[in-house]
Amino acid sequence: DMQMTQSPSSLSASVGDRITITCRAGRGIGNYLAWYQQKPGMLPKLLIHLASTLQSGVPSRFSGSGSGTDFTLTISSLQPEDVATYYCQNYDNAPLTFGGGTKVEIK
Amino acid sequence: EVQLLESGGGLVQPGGSLRLSCAASGFIFSSYTMGWVRQAPGKGLEWVSDISSSGTRTYYADSVKGRFTISRDNSKNTLYLQVNSLRVEDTAMYHCAKAMSSGSSYDYWGQGTLVTVSS
Repeated sequence: DMQMTQSPSSLSASVGDRITITCRAGRGIGNYLAWYQQKPGMLPKLLIHLASTLQSGVPSRFSGSGSGTDFTLTISSLQPEDVATYYCQNYDNAPLTFGGGTKVEIK
Repeated sequence: EVQLLESGGGLVQPGGSLRLSCAASGFIFSSYTMGWVRQAPGKGLEWVSDISSSGTRTYYADSVKGRFTISRDNSKNTLYLQVNSLRVEDTAMYHCAKAMSSGSSYDYWGQGTLVTVSS
């Protein structure tokens, strides 16, 4: 089965820090990767699709990169409202697997 | 405004069945791939199933293949998930989601309907 491995599983950083979350696919998926943000008690929100395309309305401090098997989500300057769990998702081919999630907290 | 409203969840015994529905509005339903994603309490997101805009192509996670059936009625703007042979590990909030395009990420999510499998 297709695996999407995210790391770290959690992180704590200070406001203004640059943070990076990685996602590794079990096989090459081109750039068919999405990143979602899920704040506590809320629905997932699409941040980035096609590995690096920012969804409309998403702040520019979020960025995505990568292709093939290795991808990253970067928040250039962490803000208090970014406290959430972040998920990657492969949509190259079924199964459209999600990563296990990265919980981001403020130090 | 895109709206997705799920219904049909509930408490069911192991081995039981339910039919989940998702009423869609605010977009041309028949033009978009739709999917179901579930989230067990306190756990991460798990993709369950997708269906093409016409309904001719369906896809399933291995964990539900043979037990769940996705379908849609484009005349009623409604997505369905028939869930059979339920297991305790199927307990989760089930969300329907709209794909941006065929074989794409999900840009809109419904609030979900809770399925609890317990004896």
